Amino acid sequence: EIVLTQSPVTLSLSPGERATLSCRASQSVSSYLAWYQQKPGQAPRLLIYDASNRATGIPARFSGSGSGTDFTLTISSLEPEDFAVYYCQQRSNWYSFGQGTKLEIK
Amino acid sequence: QVQLVQSGSEVKKPGSSVKVSCKASGGTFSSYTLIWVRQAPGQGLEWMGRIIPILDVANSAQKFQGRVTITADKSTSTAYLELTSLRSDDTAVYYCAHLWLGYFDYWGQGTLVTVSS
Repeated sequence: EIVLTQSPVTLSLSPGERATLSCRASQSVSSYLAWYQQKPGQAPRLLIYDASNRATGIPARFSGSGSGTDFTLTISSLEPEDFAVYYCQQRSNWYSFGQGTKLEIK
Repeated sequence: QVQLVQSGSEVKKPGSSVKVSCKASGGTFSSYTLIWVRQAPGQGLEWMGRIIPILDVANSAQKFQGRVTITADKSTSTAYLELTSLRSDDTAVYYCAHLWLGYFDYWGQGTLVTVSS
């Protein structure tokens, strides 16, 4: 089983600031990694797939990078609606998720 | 565009079973792969299994093997997740989702299953 570890657990920032979230895999997943956003009471929403491709309708302020075992989700300038929990997910060996990073308003 | 509508909340006793449904519309059901993910209260996401209706093939995560059955009815475009021998730690929101390139692009609204004596 591939374990994904996200950091930090909680990130406190203000609107307009840049957010950098990390996801590390226990073994290489190549570029087979996605990022999701989840708001309270809602299902997750796919943001990024194959490490760096934005899903349909996702704003350009969201970007992803990385390959192998280390990945990053960057939100260039935080909007109020971006404060949520973010999960990474791999598809290299079945499927698994990271434990999530909560992005909260400072 | 795929739309997934799940059945309503359930309250179950420990040791019993629950069956959650996920009705799909938009696109061709037989060509989908649908997955099941659960989320315990305040916790993260956990993949449970998947079904490929056109092949009548279902797979479950090792953790759930022996307790989970995933099926699909092509005539009604509905997938099902059955979980047996329920325990209190099975209390969670259960989601179905559409698999696309190995990722989950459309999600149901979730079904809360509460296991309590």
